[in-house]
Formats: sequence, structure tokens, C-alpha cells
Amino acid sequence: SQKIEQNSEALNIQEGKTATLTCNYTNYSPAYLQWYRQDPGRGPVFLLLIRENEKEKRKERLKVTFDTTLKQSLFHITASQPADSATYLCALNTGFQKLVFGTGTRLLVSP
Amino acid sequence: EAQVTQNPRYLITVTGKKLTVTCSQNMNHEYMSWYRQDPGLGLRQIYYSMNVEVTDKGDVPEGYKVSRKEKRNFPLILESPSPNQTSLYFCASSPSGQGARGRQETQYFGPGTRLLVL
Repeated sequence: SQKIEQNSEALNIQEGKTATLTCNYTNYSPAYLQWYRQDPGRGPVFLLLIRENEKEKRKERLKVTFDTTLKQSLFHITASQPADSATYLCALNTGFQKLVFGTGTRLLVSP
Repeated sequence: EAQVTQNPRYLITVTGKKLTVTCSQNMNHEYMSWYRQDPGLGLRQIYYSMNVEVTDKGDVPEGYKVSRKEKRNFPLILESPSPNQTSLYFCASSPSGQGARGRQETQYFGPGTRLLVL
């Protein structure tokens, strides 16, 4: 069956460290993958998109990698700040006019 | 300001009482979609629309209806709500569909509607 897996346990890190979140998928061949940020009670907000032929994408302190052989994407936040605390969702394009979302990983950055 | 709006933001209702959640976007987007979000299950798509008068089922369409009579509006209708439809609902839009390889577009989400069905 098709599955998108993100670590359901919260990730706790110290301010200034690099946070790394994982998104694994099975039985999909996505053309691209997206990462969203979601704050409690609010709608997801787009962060980064990476295409199947790209290995890495950066935006300010954010970096995403995409390994279609491993079927995995890694999402990095460098020099993390308490304001980065949120839930981060990965989403795959399934080729059927829609995105399929993972359940998200909650990140907690302590001062 | 470019945005997706939803109304109401919070709603408590009783089983069987028909309700409509409105969604509107001011970005002239062709594609619109409804999701529900439940703990441990993530965002699941209910219905989507590629353009006016074009709608299709997502992963969890049972118990819901939609319509797309105008490009900007995409209401979600619960004809006979049941307690298992208690959830957080999000509307989203994007310039066009997600499916075409070579066209990759992000979705813009509304603020959410929290629904409680008693």
C-alpha cells in the first residue's frame, strides 16, 4: 500500500542547532515533494518544493534533499530558533491532480 | 491581500442538521480543494476542483458534497452531519492542478474551520 511516513514523535533540539526531519514514502513515484509548516490551529504554509531530478534545494536557513532511490526527503533547519517550533508536513504529488500529506513531525526548539 | 478565507471558523452542530462551510479565494486560482485533519491521520483530501463545474472525489468523500459554480468559491456541504465528521477542515487553492509533470505548484491554505458534531 502507499504510505508517507514522518516521525510522529516530537523532535526536541536546542536553539542554534540543526534540526533534521525525515519523510519516507513507499509505492509512490512523485514528480515533486513539498514541505509545509503548520502552527497550532492554523493552515499549513508552503516552505519549499523539490523536483524529482533535484538532489537539494535551499532557502535561507532551510535545506531539503530528495533521494528517489531511497524514497526519502530530509528537511534541515540550520541555526534553529524557538520561532521555528511548529509541525512540519511533507507532501507528495501523486500524479492524480492532488497532493498527499504525511502526518507531520512536531519540532520544539528550546532557548 | 491574496488569501483563502473560510467561514465559519468554528461551528458546533447536531447530528443530521445540514450545514455549509464556505471557501473563497481572491487569487484567480483554478484548483481548489478541501481537506480534513484529524490527530494521527494527517491531512486527507475530501474533494477537489480543477475549474468551474469540474469537481472530483478525494480520498475521503463520503458524507460530503461540493460545488464550483464560480471560480473563487468552493463550498463544502454536509447534508446530514454525523459525529465522525467532527474535525478540522481546510480549504486550499493553487493556480492550477498538481498532476502535470513539469508543473509544480504550491497550495495556499485557508485558516481552517473547526467543526464539532454532537
